[in-house]
Amino acid sequence: EVQLVQSGAEVKKPGESLRISCKGSGYSFTSYWISWVRQMPGKGLEWMGRIDPSDSYTNYSPSFQGHVTISADKSISTAYLQWSSLKASDTAMYYCARLSGWPNYYFDYWGQGTLVTVSS
Amino acid sequence: EIVLTQSPGTLSLSPGERATLSCRASQSVSSSYLAWYQQKPGQAPRLLIYGASSRATGIPDRFSGSGSGTDFTLTISRLEPEDFAVYYCQQYGSSPRITFGPGTKVDIK
Repeated sequence: EVQLVQSGAEVKKPGESLRISCKGSGYSFTSYWISWVRQMPGKGLEWMGRIDPSDSYTNYSPSFQGHVTISADKSISTAYLQWSSLKASDTAMYYCARLSGWPNYYFDYWGQGTLVTVSS
Repeated sequence: EIVLTQSPGTLSLSPGERATLSCRASQSVSSSYLAWYQQKPGQAPRLLIYGASSRATGIPDRFSGSGSGTDFTLTISRLEPEDFAVYYCQQYGSSPRITFGPGTKVDIK
C-alpha cells in the first residue's frame, strides 16, 4: 500500500527555522517526484515545488523560490520542506504529494498534512 | 504562467441533483495534464479525474470529466451526501510547472 506519512504539527516563533518531513512507503521512492502543496487557513491549494528523489533535482514555483528549500534523503525514502526564518504568513497546512509522472502528471497520493503555526 | 479559473465559486444544490463545475485556463492545456481533486474539511485532497476524463481508482462513475484546450468540466451526475466538498482543478505544463484553480465549493441547498 502506497503511503506518504508526514511529521506532526509544529508551533514556532517568527524567525525560527523549521524542517518538516514526508516519508514514502509501499513503492519505489526514487521513481516518482514528490511535491509540496500549501493551504493557508480557509484558502485553496498552492503548488510550492517538487523534487526528484533519485537525484534531488528540484524546481520551485516562483512564489516560493528562495523562501523554502525542498530536499530528499533517498536512503530513508523521505522528502523535506525547510524554512530558515519563518514568518507569521507561513502559517498553513502543508501537504506532500506524489506526482504520477508521464504521461499525465497528477497527484495520486497525498500525505495527511502538517499544520505549521507561526506566532509570537 | 497558466492561470486556472473555476466557476462558480459556490454551487448550492440538493442531493440527487446534477453538478456541473467549470475550469478555464488562460492558455491551452494538454488534456493529458488536467486533473480534478475533491477536498473535504480536515482531509487531504483526493484525486478524482486525471487526463481530463479518466476516473481515478475507486472513484464512482457518477463523476465524469470532459473538455479540451482551455475549457474543462467536472460533472457529478447525481449528488450523494458525501459529494458536498470543495473541488479543485490542476494543470501540469508551462512554468510554473503546476497550478491549481481556486476551487468550487459544492454545498447543500
